[in-house]
Amino acid sequence: AQSVTQPDIHITVSEGASLELRCNYSYGATPYLFWYVQSPGQGLQLLLKYFSGDTLVQGIKGFEAEFKRSQSSFNLRKPSVHWSDAAEYFCAVGAGAAGNKLTFGGGTRVLVKP
Amino acid sequence: GAVVSQHPSRVICKSGTSVKIECRSLDFQATTMFWYRQFPKQSLMLMATSNEGSKATYEQGVEKDKFLINHASLTLSTLTVTSAHPEDSSFYICSASGLRTDTQYFGPGTRLTVL
Repeated sequence: AQSVTQPDIHITVSEGASLELRCNYSYGATPYLFWYVQSPGQGLQLLLKYFSGDTLVQGIKGFEAEFKRSQSSFNLRKPSVHWSDAAEYFCAVGAGAAGNKLTFGGGTRVLVKP
Repeated sequence: GAVVSQHPSRVICKSGTSVKIECRSLDFQATTMFWYRQFPKQSLMLMATSNEGSKATYEQGVEKDKFLINHASLTLSTLTVTSAHPEDSSFYICSASGLRTDTQYFGPGTRLTVL
C-alpha cells in the first residue's frame, strides 16, 4: 500500500526567508509524486509533479522539489517566501500520471511572518 | 490549464435530507473523476473513483448507498449524500482527469453543513 508522510504539521517562516517542506513516501514501484497547495476554503492547485527524468523539478510560484529515491523523499523548496505563500501544502503519490488515485500526506500548514 | 468546477460551493441542509453536488470539467473530457472528503485541518481522503459510463469504485469504509456517485457524461459527475446527518458535514472536493491530461485537476470544493 502506498503512503505519504509529511513530518511537519506547522511551519512558521519569515517573509523573504527560505522554505523547505518535507515529504516521505512509501510505494512499491516507480512513484508519481505531486505537491499541491490549498488556500483556506479552496480546492487544490498543483505546484509541481515528478514522473521521471531530472530529479529536480521546477513548479509554479517559484517552487521546486527534488526527488531522492534513496531517501524516499520529495521535499519542496522555495528560496524566498512571500506572504501570499501562507497556505496548506500537500504531498501526494500516485500509481500513474492522471487516471490513478492519489494518496495524500497529512499536510503542512505554512504561516508567514511579516 | 484544465478547469474543474463544483456546484454548489456551500450548502446547508437539514438532517435526513439528500444533497447533490455537481462536478464539471469545463474545458476537457473527464474520463475519470475522483471524489474526496476533507475534515477541518485534515488531509484529503479518497471516497470513490468513477469512470464515465461505469459504476463508481468506492474506497473501503465508504458507504456506497449513502454516497451515490454518477458519472453519466464526460463532463459531469455528481455526488449525492443521501439521508444526510451532522457527521456528514465536511468539505467535499472532486478532481478530474482525461486522456489528454497528465494529472488530476481539482475543483474548488463544496462545504456541506448538515443541521
